[in-house]
Amino acid sequence: DTEVTQTPKHLVMGMTNKKSLKCEQHMGHRAMYWYKQKAKKPPELMFVYSYEKLSINESVPSRFSPECPNSSLLNLHLHALQPEDSALYLCASSLYFTGKSYGYTFGSGTRLTVV
Amino acid sequence: AQTVTQSQPEMSVQEAETVTLSCTYDTSESDYYLFWYKQPPSRQMILVIRQEAYKQQNATENRFSVNFQKAAKSFSLKISDSQLGDAAMYFCAYRSRDDKIIFGKGTRLHILP
Repeated sequence: DTEVTQTPKHLVMGMTNKKSLKCEQHMGHRAMYWYKQKAKKPPELMFVYSYEKLSINESVPSRFSPECPNSSLLNLHLHALQPEDSALYLCASSLYFTGKSYGYTFGSGTRLTVV
Repeated sequence: AQTVTQSQPEMSVQEAETVTLSCTYDTSESDYYLFWYKQPPSRQMILVIRQEAYKQQNATENRFSVNFQKAAKSFSLKISDSQLGDAAMYFCAYRSRDDKIIFGKGTRLHILP
């Protein structure tokens, strides 16, 4: 299995809703990432997990809450989002954290619309 | 802080021809990694090619090759024998020692039949 699987592919939520995005990989990668991508823009890093511990938080608002229950699974819990949070949310994984030349393996993303 | 600059927002190339996408970066680090990613309309970011800064030899992957000029901080991507399936947004990316990947703004590549 050489994929990063993200669910759901599309999500529409109201500003008072609570929802979660899920990301799964079975490649034995020990670093996992959440990126946010607005239309026609490059991805922007949100969070990095290394060996199931949060190692980087790029000053993301608390309405986004990441969770890494095990080495294969990464969640992003969403609560009280704003319309400007509408974007493509990409999950990625990497064999190691730091010091290695590996690129990331990306999932195909969740297209989130906040109404 | 590191920066990545792609100065060509869009490019077009005739099918079967060769095209070069430009990328420059700025860093004070001596050890880092550079990548080109492709993002087709399907949205998935696909790794095209990687280059380790300590290696002088330019990386090659089939029809894709890079021209890495470390002193000039330049990392261009050459696509030979362009195919319709190469049409996508291409992002140049820098991976720093603290594991942050920084992307350029991207170059949208159109392939003309």
